[in-house]
Amino acid sequence: KQEVTQIPAALSVPEGENLVLNCSFTDSAIYNLQWFRQDPGKGLTSLLLIQSSQREQTSGRLNASLDKSSGRSTLYIAASQPGDSATYLCALSPGGYQKVTFGTGTKLQVIP
Amino acid sequence: DTGVSQDPRHKITKRGQNVTFRCDPISEHNRLYWYRQTLGQGPEFLTYFQNEAQLEKSRLLSDRFSAERPKGSFSTLEIQRTEQGDSAMYLCATHRDRVFTGELFFGEGSRLTVL
Repeated sequence: KQEVTQIPAALSVPEGENLVLNCSFTDSAIYNLQWFRQDPGKGLTSLLLIQSSQREQTSGRLNASLDKSSGRSTLYIAASQPGDSATYLCALSPGGYQKVTFGTGTKLQVIP
Repeated sequence: DTGVSQDPRHKITKRGQNVTFRCDPISEHNRLYWYRQTLGQGPEFLTYFQNEAQLEKSRLLSDRFSAERPKGSFSTLEIQRTEQGDSAMYLCATHRDRVFTGELFFGEGSRLTVL
C-alpha cells in the first residue's frame, strides 16, 4: 500500500524567502505525481504534474522535482509572497485503474 | 469547459437525515473520483468510476454511502442516516484517459455539517 508523507506539516516564512516542501512515498511504481494548492474551505487547484519519466517541472516561481529511486518529490517556491499562503498537497498515481493517493499536506504561511 | 462542478457547496443537516451530493465532470473526462477531507487532513479516497462502472470502493464507504454514475456523466454520492462523524468536505475529481492517468481536476467541494 502506498504511503505518502509530507513534512513539515506546517511552515511559516517571511515574505521573499525561497522555500522547499517535501513529499515522500514508499512505492516507487508511480505513473505521475501532482502538486496541488488548497485554500481554506476550497477545492484543490493543480499546480504541477510530473510524469514518472520526468525529473522536474517548472511553472513561474514553482519548480517540482521527482526522484523515484529515493521516493521523494520536492516543491520549490521562489521569492514567496503572502498570496502563496495555503495548504500544499502532493498526490501520486500508480497508473492504470488504480486510485490516486494524497499526502496529508503542508500548511504554508507567508508573513508580510 | 467550465470545470468540475459540485452541488450543493454547503449542506447542513440533522443527524439521521439523508443527503445527496452531485458532481458534474469536465466534458469527456471519463474517470471520476470521490474523496472525503476532514480538517487538517489530506483527501481520503472513497470511490471511483470509469465511465458508468464503479471500479473501487474504499472501506471508508460504509453501507450508508452509495455512489452512482448513470450514463457515465454526472455522479451522485448519497449518505443515508447521517452521523456527526460524516461532517467533512466531499470532493469530486475527474480526468480524461481510460488507462493512463492524466492531470486530476477537482471541484470546489461540498461541505457537509451534521448537527
